[in-house]
Amino acid sequence: QSALTQPASISGSPGQSITISCTGSNSDLGSYNFVSWYQQHPDKAPKLIICDVATRPSGISNRFSGSKSGNTASLTISGLQPEDEADYYCSSYSTDGSYVFGSGTAVAVL
Amino acid sequence: QVQLQESGPGLVKPSETLSLTCSVSGLSVSEVYFWGWLRQPPGRGLEWLGNIYPSGRSAYNPSLKSRVTFSLDTSKNQFSLKLTSVSAAETAFYYCARGVSAAAFDYWGQGMLVTVSS
Repeated sequence: QSALTQPASISGSPGQSITISCTGSNSDLGSYNFVSWYQQHPDKAPKLIICDVATRPSGISNRFSGSKSGNTASLTISGLQPEDEADYYCSSYSTDGSYVFGSGTAVAVL
Repeated sequence: QVQLQESGPGLVKPSETLSLTCSVSGLSVSEVYFWGWLRQPPGRGLEWLGNIYPSGRSAYNPSLKSRVTFSLDTSKNQFSLKLTSVSAAETAFYYCARGVSAAAFDYWGQGMLVTVSS
């Protein structure tokens, strides 16, 4: 069982915005601003798209944005595009020194 | 161009030791960031195994702490993973990656499927 809870799937039409939630606890999301998001296409390695809650690494589209409130982090994808269809995982630092991941959200572009 | 590449046996017997090496090019394993191992069972989510730092210090997932060991070889620009007493449930794609912040890995290897089976 994953430490962080994400919706199993979300869908949207091209051009729309979607938001993926990631819910944790006071032991992880609620205590640290070390929250990352990864995009994973089939048979590919995960790709870092957000770190430290809201920082986009170099080369990542500004259509991806992150935020956090309390024990919940969110990833918003604006202007949804067909290539955004992938699995998305959140991750956080935890009080025991480990990194925990969410269960993953499959995004479908209809 | 930065590249990470996992290598090692793709098949390990139950109760034996899984050993993998990550070869790094385009970056030095001695630089200021850190290096991690993660895994993902087929069709399932990601799990962090731990980090190794340029100093050689390691941090392990508490769920694996007694069975896992990392090492760093600066002369070969590689780092390695050993996981003892593996079970079939540990069949997974094993990834090596560079860490830039807590829980943030920006460069990843392509992943290596390790099957635990007799």
